[in-house]
Order: sequence, then C-alpha cells, then structure tokens
Amino acid sequence: RKEVEQDPGPFNVPEGATVAFNCTYSNSASQSFFWYRQDCRKEPKLLMSVYSSGNEDGRFTAQLNRASQYISLLIRDSKLSDSATYLCVVRAPYGQNFVFGPGTRLSVLP
Amino acid sequence: DGGITQSPKYLFRKEGQNVTLSCEQNLNHDAMYWYRQDPGQGLRLIYYSQIVNDFQKGDIAEGYSVSREKKESFPLTVTSAQKNPTAFYLCASSTGQSNEKLFFGSGTQLSVL
Repeated sequence: RKEVEQDPGPFNVPEGATVAFNCTYSNSASQSFFWYRQDCRKEPKLLMSVYSSGNEDGRFTAQLNRASQYISLLIRDSKLSDSATYLCVVRAPYGQNFVFGPGTRLSVLP
Repeated sequence: DGGITQSPKYLFRKEGQNVTLSCEQNLNHDAMYWYRQDPGQGLRLIYYSQIVNDFQKGDIAEGYSVSREKKESFPLTVTSAQKNPTAFYLCASSTGQSNEKLFFGSGTQLSVL
C-alpha cells in the first residue's frame, strides 16, 4: 500500500459546482497535513494546512479524520481558475520527510 | 523578496554528461530538499539536508549527488549514472520546525539530447 493515496481523476465539474477530494495515508504517526495546488509545469503552492478540528479558507474547507486516516478538501462555487492538480502531503513527526500523494486533477468547465 | 531560486529553467544533457541544477534560498531555512516529478506522477524525494554539511538520501538517490556547503545553497548534480534523467526537478526548503510547510522553487525541466 502506498503511503499517501489519492484518486487521480480527472474531476470535470461545471463552474459553480461543489467538489470534494479525499486522500488516505498509511502512517498512523503522521502529524502534519497539507493540501498543495500545482498548475501544469509549475511548482506546487501551499493551498492550506489541515488542522485536527478542520479549517476553512474562503471557498476551501479541509477536514482531517485521524481514526480513518484520511483528509479531505472541499471546494465550493468552483471557478475556472481552480483548474489544477491538488496534492495531498503528509508528514510524520519531526525528522521525517514530507510524503506526497500523486495528485488529483480538477478541470472546471465553463 | 524572500524565496527560492532555481536555475536554469530548462537544461539539456548529452549522454554521458554530468549536469548541475542550482538551488538558492534566502528564507534562512535550515532544511532543503530535491524532488523529481515525472509526467502525471507525484513528487519523489531524491536528497534532503536538515543542516549545513549534512545530507541524506531520499527514495531515488541513485545517479544523483548533492552538497550543502552553505545554508543558502543546495545544488543537485545529475550524473551519467542516472540513465533516465528526463524529468521536472523541484527544490524546496522548510524551517525545520514542527508543523513546518514546504516552499518550492519554480523548477528545472531537464531533458536528454
């Protein structure tokens, strides 16, 4: 089993739709969780950290379920500019490295 | 402006040649990383360094070498032993603290002639 797994998609959704991605991780000792966004042939950019209590940033909501070892990202009112690949990133306690999922590709259609 | 600078943006390697990718950061970060990304795939860790003059192999270190003589710099050499070097290479850094985030350079696309 891979350390971090994501549905590769693509998710094709119309503008204004709500879309959700899940990510599962295998290391129960993982402590830090992030969602990054990557545009084609560009560097990944931090979208948001994921906190135990869940957190929201505008149209984006992230949730963490430690018992089931997954994190989720919800995007409301999708915009054309949301089209990108969304990377789930997990880190074990200090000294361990960041582990990336393969990414989920989102296309928002007009 | 603080950030991570990678150069060159595009690099071509001839067979049997060693090439070096540059990565410089002015964020005063202790930890630096090199990742490789192949089309349609996730990032794979090549090497990382938590402190100056120290570095460790990642998951796919064979055919690569690094140095960390200065805090700001972490160059990656792709040696002739790396038989499939064509990929997008990303350098990243982090503070070294708990709950740290990764910050990336803009990447280098390496292709084989």
